[in-house]
Amino acid sequence: QKEVEQDPGPLSVPEGAIVSLNCTYSNSAFQYFMWYRQYSRKGPELLMYTYSSGNKEDGRFTAQVDKSSKYISLFIRDSQPSDSATYLCAMRPHTGGFKTIFGAGTRLFVKA
Amino acid sequence: DVKVTQSSRYLVKRTGEKVFLECVQDMDHENMFWYRQDPGLGLRLIYFSYDVKMKEKGDIPEGYSVSREKKERFSLILESASTNQTSMYLCASQTEPTDTQYFGPGTRLTVL
Repeated sequence: QKEVEQDPGPLSVPEGAIVSLNCTYSNSAFQYFMWYRQYSRKGPELLMYTYSSGNKEDGRFTAQVDKSSKYISLFIRDSQPSDSATYLCAMRPHTGGFKTIFGAGTRLFVKA
Repeated sequence: DVKVTQSSRYLVKRTGEKVFLECVQDMDHENMFWYRQDPGLGLRLIYFSYDVKMKEKGDIPEGYSVSREKKERFSLILESASTNQTSMYLCASQTEPTDTQYFGPGTRLTVL
């Protein structure tokens, strides 16, 4: 079983829809949770970064962490065609060095 | 703005060739990483370096080596390229373990 599971999609939604992207994980030591966005033929760029449980909002994006269920989510409101990309979740324990574990990524298409 | 650059966007090599991939960051980051990204497998850590001349193996170091002679530069070496090393290679840098990683644009390597 992988440490981080993420549905690869693809997920196709109409413009303006609310998008929900999710990851589950098995290691209860994970404390730092990140979402990266990766456009085609580009490197990943950080979108959201949260520590421990709770919600974090940034514009149209909301990151949610539920440590009791070992489940993290990224919500995109009023989705735009420019949101079409692959979204990778990533996580890391509080201690134990440098290793970040990435999900495989979910490919999102937002249709105009 | 953090900038991580990689020497080539696309590279085609023959089986058995020695291949050098270079990564440069301009933010004086201590830590640098090399990943490969394959469909369905996400990002897998090959090697990382937490200081000049220091290196640690990641999850899939076989067939690769690295060099870090200067703080800003981290090189990945494929000693004898094989077809199963065809992949997207991503370099990242980071200030501290609690910080996020900043990625370069990637090098798409094809080994024929």
